[in-house]
Amino acid sequence: EAEVAQSPRYKITEKSQAVAFWCDPISGHATLYWYRQILGQGPELLVQFQDESVVDDSQLPKDRFSAERLKGVDSTLKIQPAELGDSAMYLCASSLVTGALTGELFFGEGSRLTVL
Amino acid sequence: AQSVTQLGSHVSVSEGALVLLRCNYSSSVPPYLFWYVQYPNQGLQLLLKYTTGATLVKGINGFEAEFKKSETSFHLTKPSAHMSDAAEYFCAVGSRGSNYKLTFGKGTLLTVNP
Repeated sequence: EAEVAQSPRYKITEKSQAVAFWCDPISGHATLYWYRQILGQGPELLVQFQDESVVDDSQLPKDRFSAERLKGVDSTLKIQPAELGDSAMYLCASSLVTGALTGELFFGEGSRLTVL
Repeated sequence: AQSVTQLGSHVSVSEGALVLLRCNYSSSVPPYLFWYVQYPNQGLQLLLKYTTGATLVKGINGFEAEFKKSETSFHLTKPSAHMSDAAEYFCAVGSRGSNYKLTFGKGTLLTVNP
């Protein structure tokens, strides 16, 4: 069964350091999402791509976060510099274009970030 | 704007008992409604969804939910809880007006006691 791949699964870093997360969506899925899930909260959308274009990044803290999906396939989310409040699970999800109409997102297992 | 309120951050039931997880939504346009389940240290998995048509929707693992427009609710139920149902459950709302963006609730942790 096709899955959304994410790496690393766990990352511990010190504040002010740079971190990067990688996501490979299900093959053929045009829409890719990055969500942040703080412990005890629901996922919050950070950025949404349609192919290589950003559709929504209104909740992305652009002073320190960046995301790219250069060839419209895999994607990287970067944080520089990391702050204590960035400790969270970073979830990647993908969907077919038609899936986006019905909200059926397929999630990866997430990357858990701990900032010390 | 759209939002979701999940009543009860933690629900505990006995094995074999009814499961009821509550979700109320707010949306200025006809909503799409979803329930996702998350097991520890894993991503979210779709349980069921309502888009249009029949208001009672059935999902995986014996779960179902009913869309009640008059009550702006989409509560999740299962007649008989199983130990394997222990997980966190998230209700989410989306709409065409929000560019299909999903807004998630804060989640309800379900524990099942033997």
